[in-house]
Amino acid sequence: SAVISQKPSRDICQRGTSLTIQCQVDSQVTMMFWYRQQPGQSLTLIATANQGSEATYESGFVIDKFPISRPNLTFSTLTVSNMSPEDSSIYLCSPEGVNAYNEQFFGPGTRLTVL
Amino acid sequence: GNSVTQMEGPVTLSEEAFLTINCTYTATGYPSLFWYVQYPGEGLQLLLKATKADDKGSNKGFEATYRKETTSFHLEKGSVQVSDSAVYFCALSDPGGGGADGLTFGKGTHLIIQP
Repeated sequence: SAVISQKPSRDICQRGTSLTIQCQVDSQVTMMFWYRQQPGQSLTLIATANQGSEATYESGFVIDKFPISRPNLTFSTLTVSNMSPEDSSIYLCSPEGVNAYNEQFFGPGTRLTVL
Repeated sequence: GNSVTQMEGPVTLSEEAFLTINCTYTATGYPSLFWYVQYPGEGLQLLLKATKADDKGSNKGFEATYRKETTSFHLEKGSVQVSDSAVYFCALSDPGGGGADGLTFGKGTHLIIQP
């Protein structure tokens, strides 16, 4: 499986500010997925980021709130903009499935707390 | 659209008890099915997978069989240990169904094993 790292691992932010989360993968992948895990909840897909094109957002998520960059095939960032306490979650990145099963592996996550 | 339904937790068992965590799914295509586990304070790990009907995924004493006729993928273990205490997520991947290539997760089942 790919080695996936995220920065920061955790942060505490003030309402109204923005935080950019970085995801680095040790192999080249076409698609990168960003998920959110709210406290005590399951994972929800935020968007899919393809290198060289705009990210595709799932229902309920918009680019203005969660802008994504994908400058190359091993790196992506997710920004949580104009944060509110409701954005307190763990944010995880996951590269596209490594085989026909589309099994996906996850980064360690970024635990965000918004005060 | 795709969805995953799994039994509500927490599920509390004594050590060496038999475990079943139910999972059923709805998908438009022919999905791959997964169980992920999240140990306290750790990231999400792939536990096992199955890609077609009647496949059995297994790992660490856990098993799950892909039942297309009942659209189920129940997780079982014959004798649980305290170290199995974690949150378990059932998930599916259905890229051929026209939806996102990311995973659709169930809400998670918190398993507590008492000595």
